[in-house]
Amino acid sequence: GNSVTQMEGPVTLSEEAFLTINCTYTATGYPSLFWYVQYPGEGLQLLLKATKADDKGSNKGFEATYRKETTSFHLEKGSVQVSDSAVYFCALSDRSSGGSNYKLTFGKGTLLTVNP
Amino acid sequence: NAGVTQTPKFRILKIGQSMTLQCTQDMNHNYMYWYRQDPGMGLKLIYYSVGAGITDKGEVPNGYNVSRSTTEDFPLRLELAAPSQTSVYFCASSYSGSGNSPLHFGNGTRLTVT
Repeated sequence: GNSVTQMEGPVTLSEEAFLTINCTYTATGYPSLFWYVQYPGEGLQLLLKATKADDKGSNKGFEATYRKETTSFHLEKGSVQVSDSAVYFCALSDRSSGGSNYKLTFGKGTLLTVNP
Repeated sequence: NAGVTQTPKFRILKIGQSMTLQCTQDMNHNYMYWYRQDPGMGLKLIYYSVGAGITDKGEVPNGYNVSRSTTEDFPLRLELAAPSQTSVYFCASSYSGSGNSPLHFGNGTRLTVT
């Protein structure tokens, strides 16, 4: 079945540091890939997505490139801010086996804390 | 724009009690979902619905029931609460069931069963 593995946290950085959160996946089809962010006390919200190989998703200074050859979708940001402190989830969407609907599979989440 | 609204925000139940978690969305989305989030475990799909009158099981449906009588509402029912159901519950909706359609989440209900 499908699965998503992302680096374990927590990750603690100083403001303006470079961020990488690794994410790799296994899927039977050709999935779409997502990064969701969850700020304290809130639900998840979409950060960025990529729907095919070599696509780059970007938003709010974050980027991730869909790498089919390495089955990866690593999240990066060149200079983090205190306001980026949150939990980040990598996810893939693929057609469920034998079905017509797509199923979203989440990683376990990575807690990022950015200190001033 | 309200988006996805969940009530209550917090609830404490005793073992064996029942309750309904409410979820409503105002985006006219056909697809709705219930997830539970346990620490360090990501999100697990409990039930989902592709439209009014249609529901289906996700990965972890045992101990839960759902109904979808309208496009807007998708309540989740716990009949006999157990400590294993202590979790944070998220309702979500999406415009379509395609792989490209992102989910819109509510702010969650934190449930404790003691």
